[in-house]
Amino acid sequence: EVQLVESGGDLVQPGGSLRLSCTAPRVSFSVFWMYWVRQVPGKGLVWVSRVNSDGSRTDYADSVKGRFTISRDNAKKTVYLQMSSLTAEDTAVYYCARDAGRGGDFDYWGQGTLVTVSS
Amino acid sequence: DIVMTQFPDSLAVSLGERATISCKSSQSVLSSSTNKNYLAWYQQSPGQPPKLLIYWASNRESGVPDRFSGSGSGTDFTLTISSLQAEDVAVYYCHQYYGNPHTFGQGTKLEIK
Repeated sequence: EVQLVESGGDLVQPGGSLRLSCTAPRVSFSVFWMYWVRQVPGKGLVWVSRVNSDGSRTDYADSVKGRFTISRDNAKKTVYLQMSSLTAEDTAVYYCARDAGRGGDFDYWGQGTLVTVSS
Repeated sequence: DIVMTQFPDSLAVSLGERATISCKSSQSVLSSSTNKNYLAWYQQSPGQPPKLLIYWASNRESGVPDRFSGSGSGTDFTLTISSLQAEDVAVYYCHQYYGNPHTFGQGTKLEIK
């Protein structure tokens, strides 16, 4: 069922940067919006960012606007999340998810990648 | 932002019994142009990513057992599990995708009584 594969999570110091990647080796990718959702362990789901099918439109949660950048490479079937000026509040498991093409529900999710911001 | 509130926060139900989870949005998620409610339900088992159960408030995702059903419109929604199975132990989330940003409920933890 896990059709998306994230990578890039790591331990990073406050103020540092990190780039997450999410590939879709087995599912259709290029025509779908892609999302990043994060979850502090033991807590709920929080929408972070999204990008449309050709990468021309992006949206961000207020909490990450100006610090995170989402992008995609349809030839590589990969979506990225470039994160900078990281703080402890960014510590979470980051999931990528695919828009099902029905308005915004997520039919495929990755297994998640853990980002820990700590000195 | 649209605020999603689930209740209860946790629920214990006996095997074979019905489980009902409610979700209320701070504003309507019904689109007047499509007449669809932009509301989904997900199941998150321990150590796993969320899994889509229901979309457009009442449409079951392919492969989801028919004991799972969704209902409601506008601002009030319900997820029902008609006969609880052991594998249904999980946290359940509602998700509105009508407004930008998308928002999720806080989750309801379902356990076996």
